[in-house]
Amino acid sequence: EAGVVQSPRYKIIEKKQPVAFWCNPISGHNTLYWYRQNLGQGPELLIRYENEEAVDDSQLPKDRFSAERLKGVDSTLKIQPAELGDSAVYLCASGRETQYFGPGTRLLVL
Amino acid sequence: SQQGEEDPQALSIQEGENATMNCSYKTSINNLQWYRQNSGRGLVHLILIRSNEREKHSGRLRVTLDTSKKSSSLLITASRAADTASYFCATDGEYGNKLVFGAGTILRVKS
Repeated sequence: EAGVVQSPRYKIIEKKQPVAFWCNPISGHNTLYWYRQNLGQGPELLIRYENEEAVDDSQLPKDRFSAERLKGVDSTLKIQPAELGDSAVYLCASGRETQYFGPGTRLLVL
Repeated sequence: SQQGEEDPQALSIQEGENATMNCSYKTSINNLQWYRQNSGRGLVHLILIRSNEREKHSGRLRVTLDTSKKSSSLLITASRAADTASYFCATDGEYGNKLVFGAGTILRVKS
């Protein structure tokens, strides 16, 4: 069974540029999460989806971050415009009680 | 905000020794989970212990939970070099499906 797939694995952009991350969860998993992990810290939840509905986006900085999960499968997380402080690893996970994580996208904003 | 706090922040041991990591949290929980993260990789689920359980085993892993003290410990017995990683505790609150992670313990096992 394939795990959670994320792309790209690495992204380097200049500040004020837009960036997008893609996630394909484990087949059959209705719950999908996006986390941000800063260096030396644990992951922090940005948004949680149940199928195509965002049921918890309280930690998502809505002025510059957006996410979508069309058709309740793949999901995209976008930042526009990116700031220096957005440099982090962005992790996607799926599952209910136990979460299965993808390898993450390492973002560097210069 | 991060609920769990792991202790110690870093741990270095010899292969074959046991490693113990502790986690403290602040609010009521439904369950507590431990995850491992190898450098540059995603997190891997290790073990889940429910609020009504006190101890759980999985292979070389032993987890305890003390809800009165709001704390948990992870014991890795007979450590191996491959156990070198960061270990995170995560609490799942009363409303479920929302894990709050601690800052993690960096474990280094020297061969």
